[in-house]
Amino acid sequence: QKEVEQNSGPLSVPEGAIASLNCTYSDRGSQSFFWYRQYSGKSPELIMSIYSNGDKEDGRFTAQLNKASQYVSLLIRDSQPSDSATYLCAVNIRDLEYGNKLVFGAGTILRVKS
Amino acid sequence: GAVVSQHPSRVICKSGTSVKIECRSLDFQATTMFWYRQFPKQSLMLMATSNEGSKATYEQGVEKDKFLINHASLTLSTLTVTSAHPEDSSFYICSARPGGARNNSPLHFGNGTRLTVT
Repeated sequence: QKEVEQNSGPLSVPEGAIASLNCTYSDRGSQSFFWYRQYSGKSPELIMSIYSNGDKEDGRFTAQLNKASQYVSLLIRDSQPSDSATYLCAVNIRDLEYGNKLVFGAGTILRVKS
Repeated sequence: GAVVSQHPSRVICKSGTSVKIECRSLDFQATTMFWYRQFPKQSLMLMATSNEGSKATYEQGVEKDKFLINHASLTLSTLTVTSAHPEDSSFYICSARPGGARNNSPLHFGNGTRLTVT
C-alpha cells in the first residue's frame, strides 16, 4: 500500500463549479497534512495546511481532515481556469531517525473548462 | 517569509560530467533540507535528507556516491550529480522548513532545477 494515495484524474469541472480532490494515507500517527498546487514545469506551492479533524477554510479553498478514516480532501469553490494544475496531497510521515518526512501522493490533475 | 532559493534553474550538461545544484534558505535557518526528484508526469520522490554538519540520509534506491550532498551551513545545501547520464535528466527540487526536521510545519520549495544530460 502506498503511503499517500490520490486519484490521478484528470478531474474536469466547468468554470464556477466545485472541484473535490481526495487523498488517503496509511500512517495512523500522521499529524500534519498539506495540499500543494503544481503548475507544469514549476515547483509545488503550498495552498493549505491542516492539522485537526474537521474543515479549514481559506478563501475559495476548504481542506477537510478525518483522521479516523485516514482521509483528507480539498474543495475548490467557484473553480477558475487558472486553477487548472496538478494538486499534490502531502502527509508528514513519522521517521524514527529524523522526525518527520513529507511524502507526496501522485497528484490529481484538475482541468477547469471555461 | 520562508523563502527557499535554488540555483541554477536549468542546466544542460554532457554525459559523464558533474553538476552542482545549490539550495539556500533566505530568511530562516534550516538544519535540515530535503531533496526531491520529479520525472515527467510523476510525483515528487524524496531522494535524501540533508543535515547540517552531518551526513545526509538517502532514501532506498538512491546512490549516495552518485548524488553527493553537502550541508555546510545553516542556510546552504548542495546536491552534486556526479558522472551524469541521460537517465539522470529530471526536475530536482530542494525544500526546507523553519524549525528543523522534527516539526509539523509545511515544507517550502525552491523553484527547482531542470537537468538535461545529453
